[in-house]
Formats: sequence, structure tokens, C-alpha cells
Amino acid sequence: EADIYQTPRYLVIGTGKKITLECSQTMGHDKMYWYQQDPGMELHLIHYSYGVNSTEKGDLSSESTVSRIRTEHFPLTLESARPSHTSQYLCASSTGVGSPLHFGNGTRLTVT
Amino acid sequence: QKEVEQNSGPLSVPEGAIASLNCTYSDRGSQSFFWYRQYSGKSPELIMFIYSNGDKEDGRFTAQLNKASQYVSLLIRDSQPSDSATYLCAVNMHYGQNFVFGPGTRLSVLP
Repeated sequence: EADIYQTPRYLVIGTGKKITLECSQTMGHDKMYWYQQDPGMELHLIHYSYGVNSTEKGDLSSESTVSRIRTEHFPLTLESARPSHTSQYLCASSTGVGSPLHFGNGTRLTVT
Repeated sequence: QKEVEQNSGPLSVPEGAIASLNCTYSDRGSQSFFWYRQYSGKSPELIMFIYSNGDKEDGRFTAQLNKASQYVSLLIRDSQPSDSATYLCAVNMHYGQNFVFGPGTRLSVLP
């Protein structure tokens, strides 16, 4: 079973603050992903990485940025949080093409 | 047309019955197919994956793949109230390395 950790689990923050959502995995997976999901709605891919120093934007336009300096770590940053960023953010990793995604527990973000 | 389609439900079945969840996909070259279960407020958890045409069984779960019809299904035998969740179908398209998720089918198993 993949071990993938997200912190914080819940975050309530005011408009305009800079935040970083952490994601780490201990499986040595090359591929990592960030998804955004509103309650009862579909998953939307916002960023992905195929390895160190490789990052790409996903299908859903997002004002967030990501970095991949180490294989195990894939943080997501919002420079200036807005109420429209209120959502659940899910991090996932995979070993490669055809292999399943393993999800972390998610970060539920509320921007007031 | 969406790349991966599922009936949104809710699909209601009585406890002990067989629940049948369906998924169609548009890319004929798709190679890998996954079923995830997601409880409300939680993250998706992998139930099964299937790569080849036919059936694959794991406990109470059976995944069925028909590439000619571009159709994948999940059967849940002896459904339990704890199976009540949203079931997500995911497809790994052959032209890319990313996953495409369906909108999910909400299953309700009635005691």
C-alpha cells in the first residue's frame, strides 16, 4: 500500500494569505498529481509532475503553483488565497503508465 | 462528449443484492482501467484495476472490460450498507500518462 501524506488536513485562512499545501510520498513514485474537488463534484487535475524538476499544468486552470525539487515532495502554493479557492485538494502518486493512482487523505481548504 | 462517462445515480439497491456500475470511455486506445470508491468527504481509494478484456474478480467485486464496446463495469455482490459511496471510473488514455476520471456514480445500499 502506498504511503502518501498531506498536511494540513484542514486549513481555514483569510483572503490574501499565502499558503503551501504539503504532499509527501515514501514509495519513490516518479509521478505525482494534484487534484481539486468540490463537494459532490468531479475531480479536476490542476498540476502534475513526472519527476524531479518536471511540472505541468493540468486540465483545470489554477492560480496555484507547484515545485518538485525532491522525488518524494510535491508542494502546492497559493500566493494569495481567495474564497474561490475554497475546496478539497487531493495529492496522488503513481509508479508509471498503467499503474494505479494512490491518493493522500486530502487537505480541505476554506478561505474566508 | 465526455471522455469517461458514468451515470451519476443515485443507484439504490437493497442489502444483499448485486450492484452494477457502468462506465464508457471514448478513446479506443485506452489501456488501463480503474475503479475507485470515495466516501463523502474522504479521498478516493482504489478498489480494482483491469487491463485485459474479460472479468477480474476480487472478493465481492468483479470488474468487467469490453474494449470493443469501450465499456467497463464493476459488480458488487452481496452489497452492504458500508458499500454506500461514490464509485469513480478512471481510464489511463494511451496517448498520455494522465488519468481521466468519470463524474462518479453514487451508490446507496438500503438496509
